[in-house]
Amino acid sequence: AQSVTQLDSQVPVFEEAPVELRCNYSSSVSVYLFWYVQYPNQGLQLLLKYLSGSTLVKGINGFEAEFNKSQTSFHLRKPSVHISDTAEYFCAVTHNTNAGKSTFGDGTTLTVKP
Amino acid sequence: EAGVAQSPRYKIIEKRQSVAFWCNPISGHATLYWYQQILGQGPKLLIQFQNNGVVDDSQLPKDRFSAERLKGVDSTLKIQPAKLEDSAVYLCASSLDRWRENTGELFFGEGSRLTVL
Repeated sequence: AQSVTQLDSQVPVFEEAPVELRCNYSSSVSVYLFWYVQYPNQGLQLLLKYLSGSTLVKGINGFEAEFNKSQTSFHLRKPSVHISDTAEYFCAVTHNTNAGKSTFGDGTTLTVKP
Repeated sequence: EAGVAQSPRYKIIEKRQSVAFWCNPISGHATLYWYQQILGQGPKLLIQFQNNGVVDDSQLPKDRFSAERLKGVDSTLKIQPAKLEDSAVYLCASSLDRWRENTGELFFGEGSRLTVL
């Protein structure tokens, strides 16, 4: 079985400040890792994904994440946030042998204040 | 390219009534999923289809929930009878073929928000 823990349910930050959203996962097999963003009243859209190779992955809107196998973490970062980044962020993990079945964390609400 | 289409966007019903949600995935996506997202939680998989066959429905409350994908394209999720705890957003997602080139990326619709009174 696999599980995902997002360590912060809410992260308030001022505009242009850096932010880190933390995600830890548990799995007995190799996994693929994802971050999705959900704006109000919309579905989820992919920010970035880690499949293999370089542990630092870059996504859309200036976000990046680092896969740390020893710490089973996949934290999301952005060096300078904008008001428009205010949204719910979900970390997800998928077995690489059954790539369709994703397990999601409970989400982190990022609120960017002016 | 058209995205995943869902309807209705919003539905309010009384408990013990029935409701149905419809989903049309991205063209060419063989795999279709229904997720339930309760307020304050992440999406939880209810059922996964590969073409018109069920791959995983282990988390589907089969006494009240049913889903079908008869022609391997669009899908319907039904709840009958509804309970208060079924209030949630029902998300449909699709992905490329399960076995080939499937990296697990999901493409989501905007969701159907159900309120049970």
